[in-house]
Amino acid sequence: SQQGEEDPQALSIQEGENATMNCSYKTSINNLQWYRQNSGRGLVHLILIRSNEREKHSGRLRVTLDTSKKSSSLLITASRAADTASYFCATVTDSWGKFQFGAGTQVVVTP
Amino acid sequence: DTEVTQTPKHLVMGMTNKKSLKCEQHMGHRAMYWYKQKAKKPPELMFVYSYEKLSINESVPSRFSPECPNSSLLNLHLHALQPEDSALYLCASSQVVWDSTYGISGNTIYFGEGSWLTVV
Repeated sequence: SQQGEEDPQALSIQEGENATMNCSYKTSINNLQWYRQNSGRGLVHLILIRSNEREKHSGRLRVTLDTSKKSSSLLITASRAADTASYFCATVTDSWGKFQFGAGTQVVVTP
Repeated sequence: DTEVTQTPKHLVMGMTNKKSLKCEQHMGHRAMYWYKQKAKKPPELMFVYSYEKLSINESVPSRFSPECPNSSLLNLHLHALQPEDSALYLCASSQVVWDSTYGISGNTIYFGEGSWLTVV
């Protein structure tokens, strides 16, 4: 089963709007990572947030982590058509480095 | 551009064929991964190699056979596949980071562009 579950499954917004997606996980983690995947391509790492961090920024991305609720959120501000992609959260789920992805959020940004 | 290179980009094979997918990285990473991804689904972990040794096998059928000949190369040998094995196969690599609390703690994973496999 997947460690992370994303919410919503799909999101459709217009350029300039913000996009927010959430990820919940089950086990304790050292860090949580967010990835983007354009249709039919490989995954691209966006941001890593450690368990002792609550918020992290990278350009137009803002990630929060609430370890008490075992959840994280990814905010994309001032979205662009080029942000259209699937977004996945991912965590290591055991001490052997089993790195697993959530179900993903499909984001469509229309001009 | 990704620093993990996968070949071929597309592969069509019959159910009796034997073929291989190849992956190469020159970032000095000592963990390498194979993932399988079906349409509109997240990547599913298949195998993990750490220091060229198989450390995780996610109960993958034996018709998939991984091989790590050296620290830069990772192969996935395919034999007697089924049509339902058609998918995007992603190779990835990362540094191995050990944490005293969490074990292998997870570091940024770099993905290749994938190999599209169609089994007919």
